[in-house]
Amino acid sequence: GQQVMQIPQYQHVQEGEDFTTYCNSSTTLSNIQWYKQRPGGHPVFLIQLVKSGEVKKQKRLTFQFGEAKKNSSLHITATQTTDVGTYFCAGAGGFKTIFGAGTRLFVKA
Amino acid sequence: ETGVTQTPRHLVMGMTNKKSLKCEQHLGHNAMYWYKQSAKKPLELMFVYSLEERVENNSVPSRFSPECPNSSHLFLHLHTLQPEDSALYLCASSQDVRGGTDTQYFGPGTRLTVL
Repeated sequence: GQQVMQIPQYQHVQEGEDFTTYCNSSTTLSNIQWYKQRPGGHPVFLIQLVKSGEVKKQKRLTFQFGEAKKNSSLHITATQTTDVGTYFCAGAGGFKTIFGAGTRLFVKA
Repeated sequence: ETGVTQTPRHLVMGMTNKKSLKCEQHLGHNAMYWYKQSAKKPLELMFVYSLEERVENNSVPSRFSPECPNSSHLFLHLHTLQPEDSALYLCASSQDVRGGTDTQYFGPGTRLTVL
Protein backbone atom coordinates (compact mmCIF):
# COMPACT_ATOMS: atom_id res chain seq x y z
CA GLY A 1 0.00 0.00 0.00
CA GLN A 2 0.85 3.64 -0.13
CA GLN A 3 3.61 4.68 2.27
CA VAL A 4 5.00 8.01 3.37
CA MET A 5 8.50 7.85 4.78
CA GLN A 6 9.97 10.69 6.78
CA ILE A 7 13.58 11.23 7.84
CA PRO A 8 15.30 11.79 10.13
CA GLN A 9 13.38 10.36 13.04
CA TYR A 10 15.11 12.72 15.49
CA GLN A 11 17.28 15.82 15.12
CA HIS A 12 19.18 17.65 17.81
CA VAL A 13 20.38 21.15 16.92
CA GLN A 14 21.94 24.09 18.68
CA GLU A 15 19.78 27.18 18.71
CA GLY A 16 20.56 29.18 15.60
CA GLU A 17 21.40 26.16 13.44
CA ASP A 18 19.27 25.16 10.49
CA PHE A 19 17.04 22.07 10.36
CA THR A 20 15.56 20.06 7.50
CA THR A 21 13.15 17.14 7.46
CA TYR A 22 12.39 15.10 4.35
CA CYS A 23 9.31 13.26 3.28
CA ASN A 24 9.09 10.62 0.52
CA SER A 25 6.07 8.85 -0.85
CA SER A 26 5.93 5.55 -2.67
CA THR A 27 3.29 7.00 -4.99
CA THR A 28 2.49 10.34 -6.59
CA LEU A 29 0.58 12.62 -4.26
CA SER A 30 -2.22 15.04 -5.05
CA ASN A 31 -0.95 17.30 -2.30
CA ILE A 32 1.20 17.28 0.80
CA GLN A 33 0.47 18.88 4.13
CA TRP A 34 2.77 19.66 7.03
CA TYR A 35 1.77 19.63 10.67
CA LYS A 36 3.59 20.48 13.90
CA GLN A 37 2.94 18.81 17.22
CA ARG A 38 4.39 20.44 20.30
CA PRO A 39 5.35 18.14 23.19
CA GLY A 40 2.16 17.14 24.98
CA GLY A 41 0.05 18.76 22.28
CA HIS A 42 -1.80 17.74 19.17
CA PRO A 43 -0.91 18.14 15.47
CA VAL A 44 -1.54 21.62 14.13
CA PHE A 45 -1.73 22.35 10.42
CA LEU A 46 1.12 24.44 9.02
CA ILE A 47 0.76 24.46 5.24
CA GLN A 48 -0.42 22.60 2.16
CA LEU A 49 1.48 22.25 -1.12
CA VAL A 50 -0.36 21.27 -4.27
CA LYS A 51 1.65 22.15 -7.36
CA SER A 52 4.66 20.30 -8.72
CA GLY A 53 7.86 22.11 -7.67
CA GLU A 54 5.97 24.46 -5.38
CA VAL A 55 7.90 26.39 -2.74
CA LYS A 56 6.21 28.26 0.10
CA LYS A 57 7.66 30.24 2.96
CA GLN A 58 6.37 31.08 6.40
CA LYS A 59 8.88 33.34 8.16
CA ARG A 60 11.85 31.03 8.88
CA LEU A 61 10.12 27.94 7.46
CA THR A 62 10.50 26.93 3.81
CA PHE A 63 8.41 24.14 2.33
CA GLN A 64 9.09 22.43 -1.00
CA PHE A 65 7.12 19.95 -3.07
CA GLY A 66 9.12 17.87 -5.52
CA GLU A 67 8.71 18.03 -9.28
CA ALA A 68 7.39 14.48 -9.36
CA LYS A 69 5.04 15.20 -6.43
CA LYS A 70 6.50 12.28 -4.51
CA ASN A 71 8.72 14.10 -2.04
CA SER A 72 8.75 17.19 0.09
CA SER A 73 10.94 18.99 2.58
CA LEU A 74 10.60 21.43 5.43
CA HIS A 75 13.57 23.65 6.20
CA ILE A 76 13.84 25.87 9.26
CA THR A 77 16.44 28.61 9.19
CA ALA A 78 18.12 29.65 12.45
CA THR A 79 16.10 27.45 14.79
CA GLN A 80 14.70 28.81 18.02
CA THR A 81 13.65 26.97 21.18
CA THR A 82 10.03 27.59 20.21
CA ASP A 83 10.57 25.35 17.17
CA VAL A 84 10.79 22.20 19.33
CA GLY A 85 8.25 19.53 18.55
CA THR A 86 7.49 16.87 16.00
CA TYR A 87 6.96 17.81 12.38
CA PHE A 88 4.72 15.53 10.33
CA CYS A 89 4.20 15.42 6.63
CA ALA A 90 0.92 14.04 5.37
CA GLY A 91 0.47 12.94 1.80
CA ALA A 92 -2.90 12.85 0.09
CA GLY A 93 -3.34 10.13 -2.47
CA GLY A 94 -6.39 8.15 -3.34
CA PHE A 95 -9.11 8.68 -0.80
CA LYS A 96 -7.14 9.43 2.31
CA THR A 97 -4.24 11.19 3.95
CA ILE A 98 -1.23 9.16 5.02
CA PHE A 99 0.95 10.62 7.75
CA GLY A 100 4.69 10.18 7.95
CA ALA A 101 6.19 9.03 11.24
CA GLY A 102 7.38 12.55 12.01
CA THR A 103 10.70 14.15 12.80
CA ARG A 104 11.18 15.19 16.38
CA LEU A 105 13.24 18.36 16.70
CA PHE A 106 15.19 19.18 19.83
CA VAL A 107 16.72 22.65 20.12
CA LYS A 108 19.41 23.34 22.68
CA ALA A 109 19.68 26.93 23.89
CA GLU B 1 -7.99 26.41 20.03
CA THR B 2 -11.52 25.13 20.72
CA GLY B 3 -12.60 24.09 17.23
CA VAL B 4 -12.38 20.39 18.09
CA THR B 5 -12.87 19.22 21.65
CA GLN B 6 -12.34 15.78 23.14
CA THR B 7 -13.39 14.26 26.43
CA PRO B 8 -12.07 12.86 28.60
CA ARG B 9 -8.52 14.14 28.27
CA HIS B 10 -7.15 11.24 30.29
CA LEU B 11 -8.62 7.79 30.85
CA VAL B 12 -7.37 4.79 32.76
CA MET B 13 -9.34 1.59 32.35
CA GLY B 14 -9.08 -2.09 33.05
CA MET B 15 -9.23 -4.69 30.33
CA THR B 16 -12.78 -5.65 31.24
CA ASN B 17 -14.17 -2.11 31.34
CA LYS B 18 -16.37 -0.41 28.78
CA LYS B 19 -15.79 3.27 28.14
CA SER B 20 -16.42 5.83 25.42
CA LEU B 21 -14.39 8.67 24.01
CA LYS B 22 -16.22 11.73 22.77
CA CYS B 23 -15.28 14.25 20.11
CA GLU B 24 -17.15 17.38 19.11
CA GLN B 25 -16.28 19.81 16.34
CA HIS B 26 -17.57 23.38 16.19
CA LEU B 27 -16.26 24.17 12.72
CA GLY B 28 -19.21 23.15 10.57
CA HIS B 29 -17.17 20.39 8.96
CA ASN B 30 -18.61 17.34 7.24
CA ALA B 31 -15.82 14.84 7.87
CA MET B 32 -14.49 13.45 11.13
CA TYR B 33 -11.64 11.07 11.90
CA TRP B 34 -10.24 8.91 14.67
CA TYR B 35 -6.48 8.41 14.87
CA LYS B 36 -4.31 6.39 17.22
CA GLN B 37 -0.91 7.79 18.15
CA SER B 38 1.46 5.41 19.93
CA ALA B 39 4.99 6.14 21.00
CA LYS B 40 7.47 5.82 18.14
CA LYS B 41 4.76 5.05 15.57
CA PRO B 42 3.15 7.13 12.84
CA LEU B 43 -0.33 8.44 13.27
CA GLU B 44 -2.63 5.52 12.50
CA LEU B 45 -5.92 6.36 10.84
CA MET B 46 -8.66 4.27 12.39
CA PHE B 47 -11.99 5.53 11.05
CA VAL B 48 -13.30 8.22 8.73
CA TYR B 49 -16.84 9.53 8.66
CA SER B 50 -18.35 11.77 6.03
CA LEU B 51 -21.79 13.20 6.80
CA GLU B 52 -22.31 10.58 9.50
CA GLU B 53 -21.50 7.75 7.12
CA ARG B 54 -18.41 5.63 7.70
CA VAL B 55 -16.19 5.76 4.64
CA GLU B 56 -13.00 4.22 5.99
CA ASN B 57 -12.27 1.44 8.42
CA ASN B 58 -8.61 0.58 8.54
CA SER B 59 -8.75 -3.00 9.80
CA VAL B 60 -9.34 -1.85 13.35
CA PRO B 61 -10.12 -4.57 15.93
CA SER B 62 -13.78 -4.90 16.82
CA ARG B 63 -13.06 -3.89 20.41
CA PHE B 64 -13.09 -0.33 18.99
CA SER B 65 -16.54 0.70 17.84
CA PRO B 66 -17.13 4.16 16.35
CA GLU B 67 -20.39 6.04 16.30
CA CYS B 68 -21.24 9.25 14.49
CA PRO B 69 -24.77 10.41 15.37
CA ASN B 70 -24.38 13.69 13.46
CA SER B 71 -21.69 15.62 11.64
CA SER B 72 -20.60 17.44 14.81
CA HIS B 73 -20.16 14.48 17.14
CA LEU B 74 -18.03 11.38 17.00
CA PHE B 75 -17.67 8.66 19.60
CA LEU B 76 -15.28 5.78 20.04
CA HIS B 77 -16.68 3.00 22.19
CA LEU B 78 -14.10 0.82 23.89
CA HIS B 79 -14.53 -2.64 25.38
CA THR B 80 -12.21 -5.45 26.46
CA LEU B 81 -9.12 -3.51 25.45
CA GLN B 82 -5.57 -4.76 25.68
CA PRO B 83 -2.58 -3.01 27.28
CA GLU B 84 -1.12 -2.43 23.81
CA ASP B 85 -4.14 -0.25 23.06
CA SER B 86 -2.72 2.37 25.42
CA ALA B 87 -2.07 5.45 23.30
CA LEU B 88 -3.16 8.97 22.52
CA TYR B 89 -6.44 8.90 20.59
CA LEU B 90 -6.88 11.92 18.40
CA CYS B 91 -10.02 13.13 16.76
CA ALA B 92 -9.86 15.39 13.72
CA SER B 93 -12.29 17.07 11.37
CA SER B 94 -12.10 18.55 7.89
CA GLN B 95 -14.49 20.38 5.62
CA ASP B 96 -15.03 17.29 3.52
CA VAL B 97 -13.36 14.04 2.60
CA ARG B 98 -11.95 15.10 -0.75
CA GLY B 99 -9.29 12.54 -1.43
CA GLY B 100 -7.47 13.71 1.67
CA THR B 101 -6.89 17.18 0.30
CA ASP B 102 -8.72 19.07 3.02
CA THR B 103 -6.83 20.39 6.02
CA GLN B 104 -7.50 18.42 9.17
CA TYR B 105 -8.07 20.11 12.50
CA PHE B 106 -7.13 17.99 15.47
CA GLY B 107 -8.56 17.86 18.94
CA PRO B 108 -6.32 17.73 22.02
CA GLY B 109 -6.60 13.96 22.25
CA THR B 110 -7.50 11.46 24.96
CA ARG B 111 -4.54 9.82 26.67
CA LEU B 112 -5.72 6.24 27.26
CA THR B 113 -4.00 3.80 29.59
CA VAL B 114 -5.20 0.20 29.71
CA LEU B 115 -4.14 -1.72 32.80
